Amino acid sequence: NAGVTQTPKFRILKIGQSMTLQCTQDMNHNYMYWYRQDPGMGLKLIYYSVGAGITDKGEVPNGYNVSRSTTEDFPLRLELAAPSQTSVYFCASSQGGGGTGELFFGEGSRLTVL
Amino acid sequence: GNSVTQMEGPVTLSEEAFLTINCTYTATGYPSLFWYVQYPGEGLQLLLKATKADDKGSNKGFEATYRKETTSFHLEKGSVQVSDSAVYFCALSPYGNNRLAFGKGNQVVVIP
Repeated sequence: NAGVTQTPKFRILKIGQSMTLQCTQDMNHNYMYWYRQDPGMGLKLIYYSVGAGITDKGEVPNGYNVSRSTTEDFPLRLELAAPSQTSVYFCASSQGGGGTGELFFGEGSRLTVL
Repeated sequence: GNSVTQMEGPVTLSEEAFLTINCTYTATGYPSLFWYVQYPGEGLQLLLKATKADDKGSNKGFEATYRKETTSFHLEKGSVQVSDSAVYFCALSPYGNNRLAFGKGNQVVVIP
C-alpha cells in the first residue's frame, strides 16, 4: 500500500520562485494536513482540510496556499519563496477528525530557499 | 496555549539499556496524548496513545503513562534494540480533534 505520497523529496528554490508540493493518499481519508518542521523545532500545522472543497488555516499559514479538489490530493503552493520557508514539509491524512490521533504521514519534502 | 516540551538533545545508549524520553505538556482542558516515531527514511507513525489521566499506552515494548498531576507523558522502554534507533515525537490533541501539537522530537541512537 502506498499510503501518503509526497513529491518532490528534495528541492532547492531561489528567493521569489514559486512551487507546489504534491501530496496524494490512497486510503480514502477525508482529513488531510500539511505540517512544517524547522531544525530543532516541533512540527507546526500550516493548513488542513476536512474534505474535498474545504480547507482551513493552521498555526503558520502565511506564505502558503492549498486546494482540495479531490479526496486524494492536497497540494501545497509556495508563492514568492523566502529563506524563512526553508524547512521539511510533511503531509498527513486521517480517517476522521475526532481526536483519535492516528495520522498517516508521508516521508517528507526537504525544501531549501537560497 | 497548547504546547509540548521534550527533553533536550539526542539520546545515545547501548543495546539492552533502559530508555526514558521526557515529555511535558501545557494545555487547556483534558487533551489526548501521543507518541510518534520516525524511522530513517520514513514518515512519522503513531507509536502509542493515552486519552485520559492515568491511562497507560503501550506498543512494541514502549510504555507511557498520562500523568495529569505532573502534566507529563514520559516514554519508556526497558531494553532497547538497534532497531529502535529513530526520532521520537510527543504530541497532544487539545480540542478533541486531529490537529495535533508536536514537540520537537528526540533522536535516539542505539549502539550494538
